[in-house]
Amino acid sequence: QVQLVESGGGLVKPGGSLRLSCAASGFTFSDYYMSWIRQAPGKGLEWVSKISSLSTYTKYADSVKGRFTISRDNAKNSLFLQINSLRAEDTAVYYCAREYNAVVDGASFYGMDVWGQGTTVTVSS
Amino acid sequence: EIVLTQSPGTLSLSPGERETLSCRASQSVSSSYLAWYQQKPGQAPRLLIAGASSRPTGIPDRFSGSGSGTDFTLTISRLEPEDSAVYYCQYYGSSVIIFGQGTRLEIK
Repeated sequence: QVQLVESGGGLVKPGGSLRLSCAASGFTFSDYYMSWIRQAPGKGLEWVSKISSLSTYTKYADSVKGRFTISRDNAKNSLFLQINSLRAEDTAVYYCAREYNAVVDGASFYGMDVWGQGTTVTVSS
Repeated sequence: EIVLTQSPGTLSLSPGERETLSCRASQSVSSSYLAWYQQKPGQAPRLLIAGASSRPTGIPDRFSGSGSGTDFTLTISRLEPEDSAVYYCQYYGSSVIIFGQGTRLEIK
């Protein structure tokens, strides 16, 4: 069964740090690009970061650049997000997701086809 | 930076009806990178449409997508109560990924 399971969320004070994890199973993790997406309470989806399958490149949303670091361990089928200098506006459910890339009749299609259930990060004093 | 604007913001419809949701990009984007998601309360999003019009395996054919350039649509035919959710469009770029603000759909 293809599955992503996040962990590591919690209550942290402003300025603090957390390391989120995402455990993958049921597919060849090292074949896929992965992303982190977050959703503040009652708000929409916000992409946070993306990492290539072999960690050769990473991308970040401007709102987290310099504070968040995405990484992965393909040997352990795991994705990580190190979040530092936390602010109240970082309070959200954090999801990991797998990149979907299909080719039909020579045309490529992209999206995120597998999502975890999310882990909640609350930044409050 | 690309901005995706979805409309309408909220709508309430009856079972059996058909509705088309809109997603407008602030600049032309490749259809390959335009996706649609459904999110129900307390759940993670679910991919409905990739490449503007392609349904992944398991997605009912009641859901269809179309569009190109700056204007994209998601059509849901024969609405069912279980379709009550927030629908998001997404631009899946190589350097940045952008979500629209969402359309809340209530079926009752």
